Amino acid sequence: EVQLVESGGVLVQPGRSMKLSCAASGFTFSSFPMAWVRQAPTKGLEWVATISTSGGSTYYRDSVKGRFTISRDNAKSTLYLQMDSLRSEDTATYYCTTGPYWGQGVMVTVSS
Amino acid sequence: DIQMTQSPSSLSASLGDRVTITCRASQDIGNYLTWFQQKPGKSPRRMIYGATNLEDGVPSRFSGSRSGSDYSLTISSLESEDVADYHCLQSIQYPLTFGSGTKLEIK
Repeated sequence: EVQLVESGGVLVQPGRSMKLSCAASGFTFSSFPMAWVRQAPTKGLEWVATISTSGGSTYYRDSVKGRFTISRDNAKSTLYLQMDSLRSEDTATYYCTTGPYWGQGVMVTVSS
Repeated sequence: DIQMTQSPSSLSASLGDRVTITCRASQDIGNYLTWFQQKPGKSPRRMIYGATNLEDGVPSRFSGSRSGSDYSLTISSLESEDVADYHCLQSIQYPLTFGSGTKLEIK
């Protein structure tokens, strides 16, 4: 059974940093590009970032470019999202996803 | 960036009705269009990929189609379990962009 389990979400002050993790199991993690998608409270889905299978290519939405870093450890079957200089508008549930598979999501709240 | 204009934003229909949700792409996206269903408090579920391909395990009353730059998700006979938000996604070009979503309710 495929599982994607996010962790790391918490309440953080504006300007601070946070790192999300997504532990994958049940499929060959290294063979699939991975992505982070977020959803602000009562809003629609918003793509955040994608990473290639090797990690050699990364893509970001403009509003997070230079602040967020997506990475992966294929040996650990884990996806990461390092989030720096957090803003209130980054408040959302963050999902890791690939193909038809989605994690349960992790809530990130940026507030003073 | 490619804009995905999704309509309607909300829809109320009766059980057994035929329901159609549409996304219009601002540029050519070929068949790089995915439909997701999201029930309250749950993660999205992929329903249709490649514009017309039904995901394994998705009921056959769901279908996807394309007419030019318009992409549609159709439910042939609405059931109570179909109450959810529906989202489209274009994946031909970064940044990937979602439609604004459609809230489907039972009348």
